[in-house]
Amino acid sequence: QQQVRQSPQSLTVWEGETAILNCSYEDSTFNYFPWYQQFPGEGPALLISIRSVSDKKEDGRFTIFFNKREKKLSLHITDSQPGDSATYFCAASEGYAQGLTFGLGTRVSVFP
Amino acid sequence: DAGVTQTPRHEVAEKGQTIILKCEPVSGHNDLFWYRQTKIQGLELLSYFRSKSLMEDGGAFKDRFKAEMLNSSFSTLKIQPTEPKDSAVYLCASSRDWGGFEQYFGPGTRLTVL
Repeated sequence: QQQVRQSPQSLTVWEGETAILNCSYEDSTFNYFPWYQQFPGEGPALLISIRSVSDKKEDGRFTIFFNKREKKLSLHITDSQPGDSATYFCAASEGYAQGLTFGLGTRVSVFP
Repeated sequence: DAGVTQTPRHEVAEKGQTIILKCEPVSGHNDLFWYRQTKIQGLELLSYFRSKSLMEDGGAFKDRFKAEMLNSSFSTLKIQPTEPKDSAVYLCASSRDWGGFEQYFGPGTRLTVL
């Protein structure tokens, strides 16, 4: 059973549009949710993260919306750029120095 | 500051061989994590160390996988004996201790077992 689920599996948007990536989780003890961006041949790079005490976190063009009651979160990429084309992973953990549980990722393609 | 370093970047092994993957965490980070990435299973936690103490020894992976943190700046992952199903990318990540939520990943080692 996948503890962290992501949808859609893949997403195509045009340059300048907003891409919306969804994530849900099962374990109520999860309280830290990072999103990672991965390009082919590279390791995942930390993009933005949120803790369960917040319902929104913004960093430039990237925003996380978090709904603790429904155990759902989403990543919004506004003004999408071709350089944003990558796979995005939602992850969760119970706190610091804990291993991360990852979703299977969403592959985003941004066309000019 | 240098990021997480992993060597080798690519490894090819015959079934039954022993292989050792190496990781150097970010300087000053004392927590270290080993993950495996495959297309089917995605990213899975193998082992992790908190301030150099082993906290998780691999669960389902423990019989052939052994991670060690020899000092605060070096860790190894040994797979013995290797099997074709071990073909994957092995990723190392580190974070600072006391309050270090953020984990920073290395580039990974791509292992192919023939």
